[in-house]
Amino acid sequence: GEDVEQSLFLSVREGDSSVINCTYTDSSSTYLYWYKQEPGAGLQLLTYIFSNMDMKQDQRLTVLLNKKDKHLSLRIADTQTGDSAIYFCAVPNYGGATNKLIFGTGTLLAVQP
Amino acid sequence: DTGVSQNPRHKITKRGQNVTFRCDPISEHNRLYWYRQTLGQGPEFLTYFQNEAQLEKSRLLSDRFSAERPKGSFSTLEIQRTEQGDSAMYLCASSRRWESEAFFGQGTRLTVV
Repeated sequence: GEDVEQSLFLSVREGDSSVINCTYTDSSSTYLYWYKQEPGAGLQLLTYIFSNMDMKQDQRLTVLLNKKDKHLSLRIADTQTGDSAIYFCAVPNYGGATNKLIFGTGTLLAVQP
Repeated sequence: DTGVSQNPRHKITKRGQNVTFRCDPISEHNRLYWYRQTLGQGPEFLTYFQNEAQLEKSRLLSDRFSAERPKGSFSTLEIQRTEQGDSAMYLCASSRRWESEAFFGQGTRLTVV
């Protein structure tokens, strides 16, 4: 089945760029997603990229996709303390009746003032 | 607020009791998902509804779990004879169509004591 892996922790200083990485195994996914989760809260959809794109930029967020290596990254420019959260990479799995999302374990981003 | 709504936000119950959670999806979304998230992990798929039909259930959904979506609008997830291992965050998500992004609610945090 689909496997999604992320590094567990990233610490950056306020104002620096953050890069969160994700690798996945299923190459048939059409869209790939990034979600953000603040403590005790649900998941907030941050951005997504279509599989025929290499890059997508949305304000401070840049998503890079390397389909050959099955590698996805999320870059946050000018990281702020409010960006401190857990970031999940999510990849659809098409086995069964629906395109359920398979999540990585999440990367905890800690932003130091 | 037109987002996904979940109630209650928190539930503490004694082992062996039954609990029921409710999810109200975004109104025009006919696809509804339940996920479970344990501490330090990403969400895991439990079950999927398209309108009122439950089309897929994960192996995680034991016989003690039942989900319904009687009129294709809100959904309920019931856990019978709760066990300590059921302690988790239960997340509901909805989407408009096959490849569209899924939006999550704030979740219901269940603690079984």
